[in-house]
Amino acid sequence: QKEVEQDPGPLSVPEGAIVSLNCTYSNSAFQYFMWYRQYSRKGPELLMYTYSSGNKEDGRFTAQVDKSSKYISLFIRDSQPSDSATYLCAMSVAGGTSYGKLTFGQGTILTVHP
Amino acid sequence: KAGVTQTPRYLIKTRGQQVTLSCSPISGHRSVSWYQQTPGQGLQFLFEYFSETQRNKGNFPGRFSGRQFSNSRSEMNVSTLELGDSALYLCASSRERYYEQYFGPGTRLTVT
Repeated sequence: QKEVEQDPGPLSVPEGAIVSLNCTYSNSAFQYFMWYRQYSRKGPELLMYTYSSGNKEDGRFTAQVDKSSKYISLFIRDSQPSDSATYLCAMSVAGGTSYGKLTFGQGTILTVHP
Repeated sequence: KAGVTQTPRYLIKTRGQQVTLSCSPISGHRSVSWYQQTPGQGLQFLFEYFSETQRNKGNFPGRFSGRQFSNSRSEMNVSTLELGDSALYLCASSRERYYEQYFGPGTRLTVT
């Protein structure tokens, strides 16, 4: 079983829709939670990172973490065609011997059509 | 501020050869992590360097190695290439908060 599970989709929504992307994890040592966006033939781009349970908002993006359920989400409001990309969740343990290591989900392919 | 740069962007090699990939981190970032991305396995952690020292290593064979220079630039080397090494190789840099990583565009390696 993978440490991080992410629904690969694909997900297709109309412009203006609210998008919900989700990941579950099994390693309770994960303390930092990140969302990346990757366009075709590009490297992943960091969208947001969170530490504690709860919500964090940045423009049209809201990241939600529920550590008790080992579940994280990314919500995109008023989705745009330019949001079409693969979205990756990533997690890391704090310190110890886990320096520099992010554990990624498989990625969800999102298409927003006009 | 310039982002993470990787060279070359594309590479075609033959089985059995070796390859060296280069990564220049964002100015001021001292940590460099390397990842392999494939359709089947996704993004997998290879290793991390900080101040010229490897601090962490993923579950990859010894054919995969790396190093970091005093200016924080990093290289990774793959020896005795196999067909399964075909992948997008990504490097990412960060300051002290290594969970806040910024990725380069990657090097697309094809092994024939």
